[in-house]
Amino acid sequence: QSVLTQPPSASGTPGQRVTISCSGSSSNIGSNYVYWYQQLPGTAPKLLIYRNNQRPSGVPDRFSGSKSGTSASLAISGLRSEDEADYYCAAWDDSLSGSNWVFGGGTKLTVL
Amino acid sequence: QITLKESGPTLVKPTQTLTLTCTFSGFSLSTSGVGVGWIRQPPGKALEWLALIYWDDDKRYSPSLKSRLTITKDTSKNQVVLTMTNMDPVDTATYYCAHIMQWLDLNFDYWGQGTLVTVSS
Repeated sequence: QSVLTQPPSASGTPGQRVTISCSGSSSNIGSNYVYWYQQLPGTAPKLLIYRNNQRPSGVPDRFSGSKSGTSASLAISGLRSEDEADYYCAAWDDSLSGSNWVFGGGTKLTVL
Repeated sequence: QITLKESGPTLVKPTQTLTLTCTFSGFSLSTSGVGVGWIRQPPGKALEWLALIYWDDDKRYSPSLKSRLTITKDTSKNQVVLTMTNMDPVDTATYYCAHIMQWLDLNFDYWGQGTLVTVSS
């Protein structure tokens, strides 16, 4: 059971806009930055979004992130077939039991 | 250009100690704000953070695995080593190392290709 909760799957058709949610708590998303990673089949994860809504150099502006309270979302506009991948959210967690990085369970995005 | 590569055994027996090495280029672990983290992913499952080490030798560990993990750095060799004791079949996973730039909040912005470790007798 992951500390951050994501829907296991999402889908959309080419050109559509899809969003993936990530739910946490006050000790992680509520008080720290949210990160999003894309993992294409058989490859290592790639940083898509940092500091809630910032894109690293080279990431298309079709990808955007937002955060509100203890939840965050990743939006992908103008969906393309190459966006089919697993997406993970992450945040630092300041838990009383010990601080650490926590990830969501991942969302498998299918482009229909 | 930042690159990282993980190396180590592909097969370990239960109860053995796993030693993984992350060899990197394009940055230095003596530079202020730089760090390297380890993350693993069991087959078909989600990512799990294990440990990280910063330029100033500050170390952080996953609370659930802290008693089994040790992370060290060799700045002269551009390497970070992770050891995990008392390996169990549930530790079978692909292990990744990743770059951190602390001052820019760029956490795990570059990843190695990963190395699959199987725990089996």
